[in-house]
Amino acid sequence: DTAVSQTPKYLVTQMGNDKSIKCEQNLGHDTMYWYKQDSKKFLKIMFSYNNKELIINETVPNRFSPKSPDKAHLNLHINSLELGDSAVYFCASSPDLASYNEQFFGPGTRLTVL
Amino acid sequence: TQLLEQSPQFLSIQEGENLTVYCNSSSVFSSLQWYRQEPGEGPVLLVTVVTGGEVKKLKRLTFQFGDARKDSSLHITAAQPGDTGLYLCAGAKTGGTSYGKLTFGQGTILTVHP
Repeated sequence: DTAVSQTPKYLVTQMGNDKSIKCEQNLGHDTMYWYKQDSKKFLKIMFSYNNKELIINETVPNRFSPKSPDKAHLNLHINSLELGDSAVYFCASSPDLASYNEQFFGPGTRLTVL
Repeated sequence: TQLLEQSPQFLSIQEGENLTVYCNSSSVFSSLQWYRQEPGEGPVLLVTVVTGGEVKKLKRLTFQFGDARKDSSLHITAAQPGDTGLYLCAGAKTGGTSYGKLTFGQGTILTVHP
C-alpha cells in the first residue's frame, strides 16, 4: 500500500562512518528526489532524478552520492558522516518534472551523527 | 538568501479562531503548493495554485495566489485541533535547471488548543 517508503526510519551512527538510506516508490513515477530537513524544519532539495538520470544536484558535499538503479528506487549514500549531517532526510517522487506536479513524500529518515 | 519568506513561523490559537499564513517572494513562480506535515511524517500536498489571482477552497481552508504569482496566503476559518501541524509553502519554476525543483518556505508551526 505504501506509496513512497524509506529505510531505515531512524539511523544513529558515529562521526566518520559511511551509511546508506534506501527509497522506493510504487506509484510508477518517473521523478524522484532527496530533501534534507534541518532542526528548524527547513526543507531543502538535494538531488532529483528523472528516469534514472540526475537532473538536480544542489550544492551538496560530494560525500553525498545518490544512486538510482531503476526509476522506482533512489538511494542515498553518505561517506565520512559529520555532526552537521544530522537531520531528517525525505525521499519524494512525482509523475514527471512538470512544475505543478504534486510531490509524494516518504516518512523520512532521522539521521543522528554522534 | 531565502527565496520564499513564510510568516508567521509560529502560531498558537484557540479552537474556533481564524488565521492566515503568508508566503512571500520577490521571484515569480509558475506554481505554488501548500503542504501540511505532521510529526514523524512527510509533507502531504493540500493544494496547487497556478494562475495569478487564483483562489482555491478546501473545506475551511482558502488558498490564494497573488496576481503577480510572487506570493500566496492560506486562510483557515474556525480552526480545529486537528489542523495542528507544520504548514509549508513551496514554489516551482519551469525551465533550465529548475525543472521539478520545489523551493520551500521556512514553514509555520500551527497549534490549535481545544
